Amino acid sequence: GAVVSQHPSWVICKSGTSVKIECRSLDFQATTMFWYRQFPKQSLMLMATSNEGSKATYEQGVEKDKFLINHASLTLSTLTVTSAHPEDSSFYICSARGRDRYEQYFGPGTRLTVT
Amino acid sequence: RKEVEQDPGPFNVPEGATVAFNCTYSNSASQSFFWYRQDCRKEPKLLMSVYSSGNEDGRFTAQLNRASQYISLLIRDSKLSDSATYLCVVPRWGNTPLVFGKGTRLSVIA
Repeated sequence: GAVVSQHPSWVICKSGTSVKIECRSLDFQATTMFWYRQFPKQSLMLMATSNEGSKATYEQGVEKDKFLINHASLTLSTLTVTSAHPEDSSFYICSARGRDRYEQYFGPGTRLTVT
Repeated sequence: RKEVEQDPGPFNVPEGATVAFNCTYSNSASQSFFWYRQDCRKEPKLLMSVYSSGNEDGRFTAQLNRASQYISLLIRDSKLSDSATYLCVVPRWGNTPLVFGKGTRLSVIA
């Protein structure tokens, strides 16, 4: 149990376009989802935390108007990178936590390359 | 002080060696501690939780020193398959969200 999927697993887009990444909890209800970003040779950096039906809480330094997070259901959260630039190229990983559970389960990640 | 700090590494060790990783955390109120393993281009996977009294799982031993806010991971009899990046993880409040250290890269060499 506790499987989290992400789609797409990798994406290449042109500078200035927007990209949407989906994160789904397949066999449990994810009351809270987390979005992380990892640059090469760096650790995972938390970008934002979202609770189902609420606005996301962003970490300091993360632009909420650039990284739009929607957590409209208990099984789906989306991260939209708007007007992507090459410096947004990174590995984006989502994580989900269910009600009354303390573990965070990680998706397989999405590798974004902006050209 | 960063929330979670780790040995910078990398550690290059021969098969069969014993290797130890250290980590310090800034929040004295933290209650949970974890070691995760991350393979190249993959998501992190939970290796083991760290309990107050220390705990062992096969070749892996985790220790916690609350007074010093210090966590360690010991790997005995290293295998080639242990090559990965080891991440020290401490939740910011209670049990979430998880905050990751920069990770320590381990390469086990035949």
